[in-house]
Amino acid sequence: GAGVSQTPSNKVTEKGKYVELRCDPISGHTALYWYRQSLGQGPEFLIYFQGTGAADDSGLPNDRFFAVRPEGSVSTLKIQRTERGDSAVYLCASSLRAGGDEQFFGPGTRLTVL
Amino acid sequence: AQSVTQPDIHITVSEGASLELRCNYSYGATPYLFWYVQSPGQGLQLLLKYFSGDTLVQGIKGFEAEFKRSQSSFNLRKPSVHWSDAAEYFCAVGAVGDYKLSFGAGTTVTVRA
Repeated sequence: GAGVSQTPSNKVTEKGKYVELRCDPISGHTALYWYRQSLGQGPEFLIYFQGTGAADDSGLPNDRFFAVRPEGSVSTLKIQRTERGDSAVYLCASSLRAGGDEQFFGPGTRLTVL
Repeated sequence: AQSVTQPDIHITVSEGASLELRCNYSYGATPYLFWYVQSPGQGLQLLLKYFSGDTLVQGIKGFEAEFKRSQSSFNLRKPSVHWSDAAEYFCAVGAVGDYKLSFGAGTTVTVRA
């Protein structure tokens, strides 16, 4: 595809439920990033993949959050036992390489936890 | 740790007037600096970036930014705004060998006719 795609665009769930958010990066981009953008804030780093491995997950807020990228392309961000405070827009980005290359962002998934 | 401050939460400007958005960063090493624009329902789009060299950087849509190391600033400018420039603008900092970007809180620009 031409750009980074994310599905779903919107997700409404109830407190305590499990959700999965998907990111399809630009073909050939080895680096993939997840950010979270709360209302009125800039994006905050969550996790970075280089290929299949999570090179840095220091931004994940707690162990309810987990992300995978099994084949080095599509990534899934998984949130267990969702809480109202998890409500935010989750952004995915990819770049050709890491370390300064331009990051191309997807449109985001707006997660609302009721 | 790196950080970015965008002092102006909201700016209103008349169509055709000039625009300047402020960005100050804190980083120990040589920074990479970026300006992104986010329109409602859209992803972040890169306007311009500074890695090294000429401190005046030209970007898309008629935007430019100037890196001033002495002031730790990377302000974004446009000589004449169009109604389509109404959006939220984010300054971000990265670094050589680093991969995660640190973003400011953003500045919302409203363009009045």
